[in-house]
Amino acid sequence: GAVVSQHPSWVICKSGTSVKIECRSLDFQATTMFWYRQFPKQSLMLMATSNEGSKATYEQGVEKDKFLINHASLTLSTLTVTSAHPEDSSFYICSAPERHSYEQYFGPGTRLTVT
Amino acid sequence: GEDVEQSLFLSVREGDSSVINCTYTDSSSTYLYWYKQEPGAGLQLLTYIFSNMDMKQDQRLTVLLNKKDKHLSLRIADTQTGDSAIYFCAANTGFQKLVFGTGTRLLVSP
Repeated sequence: GAVVSQHPSWVICKSGTSVKIECRSLDFQATTMFWYRQFPKQSLMLMATSNEGSKATYEQGVEKDKFLINHASLTLSTLTVTSAHPEDSSFYICSAPERHSYEQYFGPGTRLTVT
Repeated sequence: GEDVEQSLFLSVREGDSSVINCTYTDSSSTYLYWYKQEPGAGLQLLTYIFSNMDMKQDQRLTVLLNKKDKHLSLRIADTQTGDSAIYFCAANTGFQKLVFGTGTRLLVSP
């Protein structure tokens, strides 16, 4: 199957700083990517849909000014957590479907810890 | 909106079959998925089934879909200790957008 990578795999940052997480589709192009958040022992919660060349679509209750998404190319989407706080600590996972396909592939996740 | 439910935990012995169940609410979901997540890792796509199918088999995995009852199951034959993980079912809501179940933790003992 197709491969999606994320970078970094884990990051620790101080409260008030910003953190950028990258999601790349390595062997296919993705006009759409999805960002999820997962709390320990819980399911994945969809945060936003990242669209190449246009604005991201955020799910209800997700602050778009706090979670900035940029989908600059057909293989890269970034999620920036701005002014991070301890409650933003979580496991962030991206996914990318192959174009014109229902098969969707997930990155390995990024664990963010805000101290 | 779509709501997807799963039982939380399943324990089996190595060599037995495992059956993980899932229910969903939105009959317009056209694709239903099973993903596997190992500790600290992302999700691995195991298989998926179109809503116009009743069954799909892929090596040790068998997916059964009862569209009338909105019930999906994943059967793992000859379960191995390496199958221990969390299994998520997911349903699409619109093209490519997924709603995930709560996850079932499968524990396989030797």
